[in-house]
Formats: sequence, C-alpha cells, structure tokens
Amino acid sequence: GGIITQTPKFLIGQEGQKLTLKCQQNFNHDTMYWYRQDSGKGLRLIYYSITENDLQKGDLSEGYDASREKKSSFSLTVTSAQKNEMAVFLCASSIRTGAGQNTLYFGAGTRLSVL
Amino acid sequence: GDKVKQSPSALSLQEGTNSALRCNFSIAATTVQWFLQNPRGSLINLFYLVPGTKENGRLKSAFDSKESYSTLHIRDAQLEDSGTYFCAAEDSNYQLIWGSGTKLIIKP
Repeated sequence: GGIITQTPKFLIGQEGQKLTLKCQQNFNHDTMYWYRQDSGKGLRLIYYSITENDLQKGDLSEGYDASREKKSSFSLTVTSAQKNEMAVFLCASSIRTGAGQNTLYFGAGTRLSVL
Repeated sequence: GDKVKQSPSALSLQEGTNSALRCNFSIAATTVQWFLQNPRGSLINLFYLVPGTKENGRLKSAFDSKESYSTLHIRDAQLEDSGTYFCAAEDSNYQLIWGSGTKLIIKP
C-alpha cells in the first residue's frame, strides 16, 4: 500500500501572506489533485496535474498557484491569504488502470486559519 | 443546479438499523465513487463503480447510468459508520463531479 503525506497539518497565516502547502505520495500515481473543503461543505477542485510539470485549473483556481515538481510531489500556494479564511485543503492522487478504473486516494488534509 | 445531488443531506439512525443514501446525476456519469469522511476528516474510498452493483461487508452500492443515479445501502449500522458520505461521478471528459455529502449520525 501507499500513503499520501500532507504538510503541514495545521497552518496559521496572516492576511495577505503567501502560504505554501505540500503533498507527497508514494503510490507512484500519475495524477494528483488539490481540493478545498469549507466547513460542512463538499469538495471543490483547485488544481490537478496528470503528470510531472503538468498543471490543470479546477473551478476554484483563482487565488492559488500550484507546482508539480516531480511525480511524487504536488504543492499548492495561497497567493494572498484572506482574513478570517478557514478551510481544509485535501490532496489526492490516482492512476487510471488498464481497466479504466481511476480511484482517488486522499491525504489527511491541511487545516488553514487566517488571522 | 447541482450536477450531482445527494440525498438526504443529513440522517440520524439507531445502531443496528439499515439506511439508503442516494445520488442523482444531471450529467452523463460514466463511473461513480463513494467516499466516507470520518469525524477526524480523513476521506476513505468505499466503492468505485461502473454500471452495476458492488458489495463489501455491510455496504452495498449500485449505479444505474441509464436512470442517472447511484445508491449506497448500509446494513446493521454501527457507531463507526458515522461521518459524511460523498459520491463523485466521472463525466465524459474524465472530470470528477462531487456531491455535497450526506452527514450520517449513528446513535447507540
């Protein structure tokens, strides 16, 4: 089995600050994702990447940058943290099998609070 | 409107009872995944479905692509089944569209 590691687990930032979240996976999966989850809500896609150095925008990409430095890592940057922002950022990875299956596996999340 | 609509939005059950959660799609879904987000926030993949059914222990899920819905049945609910259940449908462009979740509370 594999694991997805997100760092940090908790992140407290100041308004206007640039903040970077990191994600590592050892599944050897091709595709990686960043989702945002607000309290009591569903998941919204920020960015995804289908291979190293690839970036695809999701519905929520404005205000974020991402970087797929290598196959195993995918980082997300909040370009300017918004005051009182609170959300959980979830990283996931997947690989499409020969049978077409594309199951997602998730990290434990990074909980962001902005003062 | 929502492309993937989950119902109910919340559900409270006694331990030992059965329940059914549903997702209706207004997109041409090709596959469906069901996830449980436990109270600690971790998302666990329960099922990956092409049209048809799958069963795993007390959980059973079905996906009918022609009628555009999927169901998740929980038999003999246990306390550890508590959490929020999400379905996510893959569209013809391989994009995953998420529902807004069903929050399930199991009471002793």
